[in-house]
Amino acid sequence: NAGVTQTPKFRVLKTGQSMTLLCAQDMNHEYMYWYRQDPGMGLRLIHYSVGEGTTAKGEVPDGYNVSRLKKQNFLLGLESAAPSQTSVYFCASSSQGAPQYFGPGTRLTVL
Amino acid sequence: AQSVTQLGSHVSVSEGALVLLRCNYSSSVPPYLFWYVQYPNQGLQLLLKYTTGATLVKGINGFEAEFKKSETSFHLTKPSAHMSDAAEYFCAGRSGTYKYIFGTGTRLKVLA
Repeated sequence: NAGVTQTPKFRVLKTGQSMTLLCAQDMNHEYMYWYRQDPGMGLRLIHYSVGEGTTAKGEVPDGYNVSRLKKQNFLLGLESAAPSQTSVYFCASSSQGAPQYFGPGTRLTVL
Repeated sequence: AQSVTQLGSHVSVSEGALVLLRCNYSSSVPPYLFWYVQYPNQGLQLLLKYTTGATLVKGINGFEAEFKKSETSFHLTKPSAHMSDAAEYFCAGRSGTYKYIFGTGTRLKVLA
């Protein structure tokens, strides 16, 4: 039972490049979330999903897109990376609403 | 919309001393409140949660929190700190359907 996994763990991008972060959970959870964590700002919700095929915007969705084609996977895309997107990204899942299980994070640097 | 505020970005306690981490919320509706812990280079773990019912909530690792509506607080406590408790702690609350907001975190240091 792996819980919540995230790939990659680290990534360095140049401004304007694109990438996709993958989150996978093996607990059959309906709810999945993407957060970014920045120093002194706590975690901020980017996008979330309440079930397969559904997505919705969180607090800071600009510059990001998501997809939930399969229940176990929640993808976060950056179409044109900007230095302001340098952050640590966490995926979380839950069976009851509030984020319950978090992945180990992806540390992204945009130069 | 609800917000949560954590008082003190850094707290230091001696091993064996009481741990008290403060969280206040603002909400016009009964809140759902949570505490999470984050160890270095790891994701967050849910420590405990308050939804309805008993206002004193017990969590993992000997932590507990008390919901006090009159003070709009949900402070986290542990009677006796261990070195292994050193981590960053986040208070969170529900701000809307499926939306949960986090405080800015309190880094707990435990002194030998």
